[in-house]
Amino acid sequence: DTAVSQTPKYLVTQMGNDKSIKCEQNLGHDTMYWYKQDSKKFLKIMFSYNNKELIINETVPNRFSPKSPDKAHLNLHINSLELGDSAVYFCASSVRQDSPEAFFGQGTRLTVV
Amino acid sequence: AQSVTQLDSHVSVSEGTPVLLRCNYSSSYSPSLFWYVQHPNKGLQLLLKYTSAATLVKGINGFEAEFKKSETSFHLTKPSAHMSDAAEYFCARANTGNQFYFGTGTSLTVIP
Repeated sequence: DTAVSQTPKYLVTQMGNDKSIKCEQNLGHDTMYWYKQDSKKFLKIMFSYNNKELIINETVPNRFSPKSPDKAHLNLHINSLELGDSAVYFCASSVRQDSPEAFFGQGTRLTVV
Repeated sequence: AQSVTQLDSHVSVSEGTPVLLRCNYSSSYSPSLFWYVQHPNKGLQLLLKYTSAATLVKGINGFEAEFKKSETSFHLTKPSAHMSDAAEYFCARANTGNQFYFGTGTSLTVIP
């Protein structure tokens, strides 16, 4: 019974390709997030959605486009992948926008070659 | 800027000895603070959290942390390290908009 699940777990792709990472949470939470963890292990928020609406959009290239079809899902689509996009991407959710706790998925390790 | 600073990028301890992982926060008010652990090739797991209740917070696997407002610190401790504690540890804070800011992580090595 995985609370926050991401697919795929590993993704290796060539530069210039378009790829998507899916995230689903079965916790009934209102708020979902995408974080990027770089090679130095630093975690940085990318996006936050509350009830399917975008509430945080940090400075990320517009090649990254999140999509939330419903509040249990937040997918991340990346166009024209670049070498620098290689990282581990974490999805997370919290009960609501002002809840001080987030539950994280297992991460998706994206390698761009 | 509201942030957290993890003072050590690497900590090595012998099995059975105490663990201390340091975290300081910058803020003008009491924040919500967290410690997460990441084992190799695994996701982030919440160890414990402070949300303005008791200043000494007990978490899973024998870890605890003490919120010290006077020192703006939230250090993670464990009395006796176990081999399975070897992992990356992240201190984090949440602001009012529930945006999490993570520290740069501390890699804990446990020597047999």
